[in-house]
Amino acid sequence: DAKTTQPPSMDCAEGRAANLPCNHSTISGNEYVYWYRQIHSQGPQYIIHGLKNNETNEMASLIITEDRKSSTLILPHATLRDTAVYYCIVRVYSGGYQKVTFGIGTKLQVIP
Amino acid sequence: DAGVTQSPTHLIKTRGQQVTLRCSPKSGHDTVSWYQQALGQGPQFIFQYYEEEERQRGNFPDRFSGHQFPNYSSELNVNALLLGDSALYLCASSPGLAGPDADTQYFGPGTRLTVL
Repeated sequence: DAKTTQPPSMDCAEGRAANLPCNHSTISGNEYVYWYRQIHSQGPQYIIHGLKNNETNEMASLIITEDRKSSTLILPHATLRDTAVYYCIVRVYSGGYQKVTFGIGTKLQVIP
Repeated sequence: DAGVTQSPTHLIKTRGQQVTLRCSPKSGHDTVSWYQQALGQGPQFIFQYYEEEERQRGNFPDRFSGHQFPNYSSELNVNALLLGDSALYLCASSPGLAGPDADTQYFGPGTRLTVL
């Protein structure tokens, strides 16, 4: 699985969009980008994933650059409950083989 | 629809003891993975179970073993506990279907193990 680089921490004002970047310059053509988040003392929560097209769901949007070497997770209107560690993971589709390699992630602090 | 459940929520053991942690996957999921998360670190993959067999394993010693039951629930066993085994142990399940959604994992709340 390709290695990812994320900033260790970010702040965002409540109600504003939170844009969390992730670099994955060694990504290969068959690797997906996944985002999870972990609120303090809870298990990680799946947010979104994509291959090359931008994706949106009820939680967030995922923007992947055309060369696929980086991506941005967007929380359109951050709330205090979005304070968490956000993990960007790049991995080949494995048909259910689930080894997932988590890094340190980005600690997002939403400020009132 | 219940999500992934784990028991117990907290556990305190002493060095050398053995511990068993339990996990029930999300309804409709047949694949279970276990992770260890030390304080301040990301989760580290221990192993995965599918059809009652260990399918993949991370870099953990044989002291860590597991089991999956016919109802897809799973146990994680750790023998000869060390102080360094103190961590949050997470269970994750997935649908095990073909396609990228098969790789989407749903995590339980974890079991906090403290080894004294």
